[in-house]
Amino acid sequence: DTGVSQDPRHKITKRGQNVTFRCDPISEHNRLYWYRQTLGQGPEFLTYFQNEAQLEKSRLLSDRFSAERPKGSFSTLEIQRTEQGDSAMYLCASSRLSEQYFGPGTRLTVT
Amino acid sequence: GIQVEQSPPDLILQEGANSTLRCNFSDSVNNLQWFHQNPWGQLINLFYIPSGTKQNGRLSATTVATERYSLLYISSSQTTDSGVYFCAVDGAGGTSYGKLTFGQGTILTVHP
Repeated sequence: DTGVSQDPRHKITKRGQNVTFRCDPISEHNRLYWYRQTLGQGPEFLTYFQNEAQLEKSRLLSDRFSAERPKGSFSTLEIQRTEQGDSAMYLCASSRLSEQYFGPGTRLTVT
Repeated sequence: GIQVEQSPPDLILQEGANSTLRCNFSDSVNNLQWFHQNPWGQLINLFYIPSGTKQNGRLSATTVATERYSLLYISSSQTTDSGVYFCAVDGAGGTSYGKLTFGQGTILTVHP
């Protein structure tokens, strides 16, 4: 059990650029979640996958955000036309039943 | 949606002191987890405790689901306990798919 991994750990991008993050869940975890955390706040839910199906999306996930989990294993989160307000820590979690395990996060800075 | 309130927001202790962190939630829950967020942002699982009491070394937690609160106890605190402690819940009502709603966190600072 190697834990949830995320790549990259840090990303600095200019406003207007597209970015893509990757999450590899714990093997055999069929549930995968994305959260976003801004400074001084708790993480907020973005979206949920069960296997390859995206079953829930938060209102926080504007049309510039898209997430996929094509084969029910790793997932990607893409942000198009980044804005300064997108600067945050993006966290991925996976679970087999109820208890969720989090990855180290990707810290995005939009300049 | 479900509301989660944590108290106190900040806590400063001397090494060796004991502390209690509280989490109140507004509705029935399927899941309640306590996390410690380290300075690098990693969320470390402390307890999965939708009800009952658990202990792990110097840490223990109790959730009283009928009264909608959970407590995290830290005994004989150490400087390495410093960081942010989050309570997160999955509300039982509706179709939540297990998504967690986090509190604002308690920032714990332990001085040597």
